[in-house]
Formats: sequence, C-alpha cells, structure tokens
Amino acid sequence: GQSLEQPSEVTAVEGAIVQINCTYQTSGFYGLSWYQQHDGGAPTFLSYNALDGLEETGRFSSFLSRSDSYGYLLLQELQMKDSASYFCAVRGGTDSWGKLQFGAGTQVVVTP
Amino acid sequence: SAVISQKPSRDICQRGTSLTIQCQVDSQVTMMFWYRQQPGQSLTLIATANQGSEATYESGFVIDKFPISRPNLTFSTLTVSNMSPEDSSIYLCSARHRNQETQYFGPGTRLLVL
Repeated sequence: GQSLEQPSEVTAVEGAIVQINCTYQTSGFYGLSWYQQHDGGAPTFLSYNALDGLEETGRFSSFLSRSDSYGYLLLQELQMKDSASYFCAVRGGTDSWGKLQFGAGTQVVVTP
Repeated sequence: SAVISQKPSRDICQRGTSLTIQCQVDSQVTMMFWYRQQPGQSLTLIATANQGSEATYESGFVIDKFPISRPNLTFSTLTVSNMSPEDSSIYLCSARHRNQETQYFGPGTRLLVL
C-alpha cells in the first residue's frame, strides 16, 4: 500500500518562507506531486518531481530525495492568496500511468 | 490542458435514493478518475473510469454502490446509489493525459444526504 505524511497546518506571515515536508511509503514510485486547493475550490497542480533535486517554478519550489522517500514544497515571499491547503501525492504501484494517492494535506495560513 | 465541468454542482438528496454525477472534459484524455473529499480532508480515490469497460475500484468501494460509466474519452458518470447520510461529501472528477503528469480536477459536486 501507500502512505504519505505531511504536517496538518502551518502559519506564517506575509513575505515569509514556508516549507511543507512530505514523507511517503509506496511499493513502487514514479514521482511526487504537489497540489494546491483553496477553500471551496478544485485542486490545482503545482509541481512534480520524478528525480532527486529541486524544481523551481516562480515563488514555489519542490524537492525530492528518493533515497529518503522525502520531499518538500517551498513557498517563498508568501502572499495572502497563498492561504490554502497543499497536498503531496505519489504516483506509485505497478502502473506508471496510474492513479495518484494524496496525503492528508497541509493547511497554510498566511497572516498580515 | 483540460477543463473539466461537473453537473450538478450541489444537491440535497433523501436517503435511499440515487444521484448521477456527470463529468465532461473539453479534450480527449486517457485517464479519468473519481475522488471523494470530506471538507477539510484529503482526497480519496473511488475508482478509475475506463473507456468502454468496467471501472477499476479502490479498496472499500464497490460497483453496486458507485456504478461508473465512461462511454468515450471525454465523458464519465458516477452514480451514488441507495444513499445514506454517510455519503454526504464532495465528489470530484479528475482527468489526465497519458505521459503527462498534470492531473486536472473538476469543481466538484457537493452532496448532502438527509
């Protein structure tokens, strides 16, 4: 089976940097993704790491260490609009084009 | 990219009845999925909708309770059968192109069963 762990909530002020960690256990592994979901909205794709290292997309970066079964999402220059839930998700198992399994989500609260 | 629409956006239903949720994607996609999400909780995969064949269900979900159709590459339906209050949740349709990592989600159907 698969399991993912991430913190339930993080609070930070505008302009700060937040790191959301995700550890996973899966029988097969093809990559780690991150999704953002605003309250009442649909999840939207942020980033994907299949190989070790850092991927940067604007203010958001994502990191993966396959040997440690660990990744993180880094949110820089926090803005109020970044207040949302962030989910890590693994594509694992035996099917490379298979399903995503999501973590429990981290609620990020940005304060003025 | 893919834009996904769902109907209805919300509904209030009586226990024992059934509701069919429709999902339409604006482009042909390889993979379609149905998820369930309680407010403030994670997304739980119900099943993978397979075109022209029976859906692949996750542990804890069965076809009699959640029949799924996928007649073509852009459309799928999920029926929640013989509903009980425990079925109250948000149901999300999702789609992905083969060999692309981005998975797209519909706006969800908010279901309340009384």
